[in-house]
Amino acid sequence: QIVVTQEPSLTVSPGGTVTLTCASSTGAVTSGHYPNWFQQKPGQAPRTLIYSISKKHSWTPARFSGSLLGGKAALTLSGVQPEDEAEYYCLLYYGGVQLWVFGGGTKLTVL
Amino acid sequence: QVQLQESGPGLVKPSGTLSLTCAVSGGSITTSSWWSWVRQAPGKGLEWIGEISHSGSTNYNPSLKSRVTISVDKSKNQFSLRLNSVTVADTAVYYCATVAANSWTPWGQGTLVTVSP
Repeated sequence: QIVVTQEPSLTVSPGGTVTLTCASSTGAVTSGHYPNWFQQKPGQAPRTLIYSISKKHSWTPARFSGSLLGGKAALTLSGVQPEDEAEYYCLLYYGGVQLWVFGGGTKLTVL
Repeated sequence: QVQLQESGPGLVKPSGTLSLTCAVSGGSITTSSWWSWVRQAPGKGLEWIGEISHSGSTNYNPSLKSRVTISVDKSKNQFSLRLNSVTVADTAVYYCATVAANSWTPWGQGTLVTVSP
């Protein structure tokens, strides 16, 4: 069974910088996993922020960036705003078995 | 701009079949995209259920594969989810989404399905 692991929770001060990570139980995360990052606020559907490691949509704030870091996918928020408080999920693709696996989510608190 | 809207019964009895439809507007379901279902149990994380391509190829979460069927109705520009032999553990908000160029966008707003006698 493939497991994708994220930090359960993180706290950051307004204006600060925080990095969320996404690790795969099968080994290093690569471009072939097409990492996606989603933001979800209570009662709302997930919203895609980042896809294919670092690509952004037109609605993705510039303070969000994606990368590969130390064998993991990473989402970095620079200059955190209060409205960034949310749950963040990563999603990885496993082409060999043709399935997608979500991480458990990171609850980001802005305090 | 493609938009998705889930619909279906909000209450299903245990051992019954959950059936949901995702209507696609603003674009054709026959485009070169994958069409997916995801669910989220109350207070829990996201779980990928499965996907179907524009040509009808399917991939399913191994943990649900024996109970899941995803299909496409090109004439109605929609795709559907059937989940058999449901239990209370299948109570969740069910989302449909499209995957194009490896980006999961857009998503539907989600629909809550409760499994209860």
